[in-house]
Amino acid sequence: GNSVTQMEGPVTLSEEAFLTINCTYTATGYPSLFWYVQYPGEGLQLLLKATKADDKGSNKGFEATYRKETTSFHLEKGSVQVSDSAVYFCALSDAGTQGGSEKLVFGKGTKLTVNP
Amino acid sequence: SQTIHQWPATLVQPVGSPLSLECTVEGTSNPNLYWYRQAAGRGLQLLFYSVGIGQISSEVPQNLSASRPQDRQFILSSKKLLLSDSGFYLCAWSPSPGLASTDTQYFGPGTRLTVL
Repeated sequence: GNSVTQMEGPVTLSEEAFLTINCTYTATGYPSLFWYVQYPGEGLQLLLKATKADDKGSNKGFEATYRKETTSFHLEKGSVQVSDSAVYFCALSDAGTQGGSEKLVFGKGTKLTVNP
Repeated sequence: SQTIHQWPATLVQPVGSPLSLECTVEGTSNPNLYWYRQAAGRGLQLLFYSVGIGQISSEVPQNLSASRPQDRQFILSSKKLLLSDSGFYLCAWSPSPGLASTDTQYFGPGTRLTVL
């Protein structure tokens, strides 16, 4: 079945450092790919998405490119801030078998801590 | 715009007691609805999803159940809680089939459940 593997944290960086969180996937067909972010004590927020190969999703300085040849969707940010401290989840869409529900398959999450 | 609500925000329950968590969505019709559980230090586990009133699909056999009595209301229940039911419960919605971006899910703020 479809699956997502992302680097396990925790990741600790200093402010203004470069961030990469690796994500690779296994899927049949052409799923959409997502990064969600979860701030402490909150639900998940969609950070960015890409729907086809070579698409680049971007938001709030974060970027990820849908690489079909390497089945990857790595998250990057050039200069992190303390406010970026959160747990980041990579996910792919997994078309449901019943009535059009599209389920998401999530990675286990990577906790990022940014120190001032 | 669409919003999703969950309550209660936190809940402490004794083992063997019943459970009812509620999720409602505003600003959209016929959404797909989802219940996830996030155990401490682990990723997200899809518990149930629903594509319409009274239509529930279970992903994981357990002592939990879900119901959808109204189009935009999704309830997670248990008759007798176990210690292992502790976790962070997240409700999510996605647009109904026929609309764009049905694969993107939007999450509520979550309910922190502690079973003692």
